[in-house]
Amino acid sequence: QVQLQESGPGLVKPSETLSLTCAVSGYSISSGYYWGWIRQPPGKGLEWIASIYHSGTTYYNPSLKSRVTISVDTSKDQFSLRLSSVTAADTAMYYCARLYGGEYADYWGQGTLVTVSS
Amino acid sequence: QSALTQPPSASGSPGQSVTISCTGTSSDVGAYNYVSWYQQHPGKAPKLMISEVTKRPSGVPDRFSGSKSGNTASLTVSGLQAEDEADYYCSSYAGSNNFVVFGGGTKLTVL
Repeated sequence: QVQLQESGPGLVKPSETLSLTCAVSGYSISSGYYWGWIRQPPGKGLEWIASIYHSGTTYYNPSLKSRVTISVDTSKDQFSLRLSSVTAADTAMYYCARLYGGEYADYWGQGTLVTVSS
Repeated sequence: QSALTQPPSASGSPGQSVTISCTGTSSDVGAYNYVSWYQQHPGKAPKLMISEVTKRPSGVPDRFSGSKSGNTASLTVSGLQAEDEADYYCSSYAGSNNFVVFGGGTKLTVL
C-alpha cells in the first residue's frame, strides 16, 4: 500500500522560505510515476503547485513558478518543496501526492497545515 | 478564480441522483480525456473517485460515474447516500505548461 507523509514547519514568517518534505513508503520513487504538491487555503479549493517525474523532470504552476522548487531524492524515497518569499496568501494545507501519468492523484498524504505569520 | 468552473453547491435527497458539472476550455477539459473527480470530507485529504473521465478506481461504488461533452465534464452520483455528503473537485490535465488545473469545488448536500 502506497503511503505518503508530509513533514515540515507549521509556521513560517513572511518573506521566508517554506520547506516541506514528503516521505513515500510502499513504493520506490525510482520505479516511476510523477510526484507532486497540491495546496488548499483554509475554506478554499485545491491548487496544484508542482510535479516532478522520478527522473527529475519538473513542472510548475505558472502562477507560482518564480518562487517554487521541487526536487526528488530517490535514494531516500522522498521529494521536497521549497516556496520562497511567502506571504499570508500562502497559508494553506499542503498535500503531497502521487500523480498517475501526471494527470491525476491516486494517492495523497494526510496534509500538513502551514501558516505564514510573524 | 479557478481554472475550471463548478457550481458551488448541489443537493439531493437520499436515493436520488445528482449531477455536478465542470466546465473548462479547449485547452484542458476539451483537449484531453484526463478529467478526474475527487471527494473530500471535512478535515480529510481528497480521495480519487473518477479518473480519465469515466474510470472508477477499485473500491469506489458504481453509484459514481463520469462523462464529458466538449469542454464540460460531469460527475453523477446515483442512489444518494448520507455518506456522499462532501466537497467534490474536478481536475483536468492541461498540457505540459499548466499541467493540472482544478475546479473551485462543489459542496454536495444530502437532504
